[in-house]
Amino acid sequence: DIVMTQTPLSSPVTLGQPASISCRSSQSLVHSDGNTYLSWLQQRPGQPPRLLIYKISNRFSGVPDRFSGSGAGTDFTLKISRAEAEDVGVYYCMQGTQFPYTFGQGTKLEIK
Amino acid sequence: EVQLVESGEDLVKPGGSLRLSCAASGSTASGSIFIDSWMNWVRQAPGKGLEWVGLIKNKKDGGTTDYAAPVKGRFTISRDDSQNTLYLQMNSLKTEDTAVYYCITDWFYTLRDWGQGILVTVSS
Repeated sequence: DIVMTQTPLSSPVTLGQPASISCRSSQSLVHSDGNTYLSWLQQRPGQPPRLLIYKISNRFSGVPDRFSGSGAGTDFTLKISRAEAEDVGVYYCMQGTQFPYTFGQGTKLEIK
Repeated sequence: EVQLVESGEDLVKPGGSLRLSCAASGSTASGSIFIDSWMNWVRQAPGKGLEWVGLIKNKKDGGTTDYAAPVKGRFTISRDDSQNTLYLQMNSLKTEDTAVYYCITDWFYTLRDWGQGILVTVSS
């Protein structure tokens, strides 16, 4: 199975300031079709997760443009350009390149 | 977009069985989105992270299933496209299966539309 490792596991951030979460996979996430199926999910308190970013850097419908994804191969990053109060929650990276799908441990974003 | 509603929440004893259902709604001009969708189950133990349970492909892609190792041989995913419903049959339940179970549409090997989730508690 592909192991996904996120850092940090907790990230206190000041409102209006940037935040960054890293995700590393134990092997390349490049699929045989040439795509890289790395996505980011956000889970607000008491809510189900929701899709933010798919295929490394594509924002899903309705996701604010302060969220961006980047990376390649085994190293990926989610950035929030200016944190807002509604961004509080847990963020997960997920790989869909190979079954079983696997997730990072989650990074808890808190407002300082 | 697909709306998903899980049902079948219950308290079950270890070794018992339970079936979860997930009703899908939502369509395009060409028909039901559910029929064309691959569907996943993901679970989340209390206070823990996300764990993929398994997937079923649409009929066009063979309707085949894939499962995570901890549930393989005990859980079965099926679908009834005529009812726009996804199922998760869980047998030989263990206390470690206690979790909120989500059904989700698969879209380019990612998890797009999520249900609200349903709590399954396995306890004596």
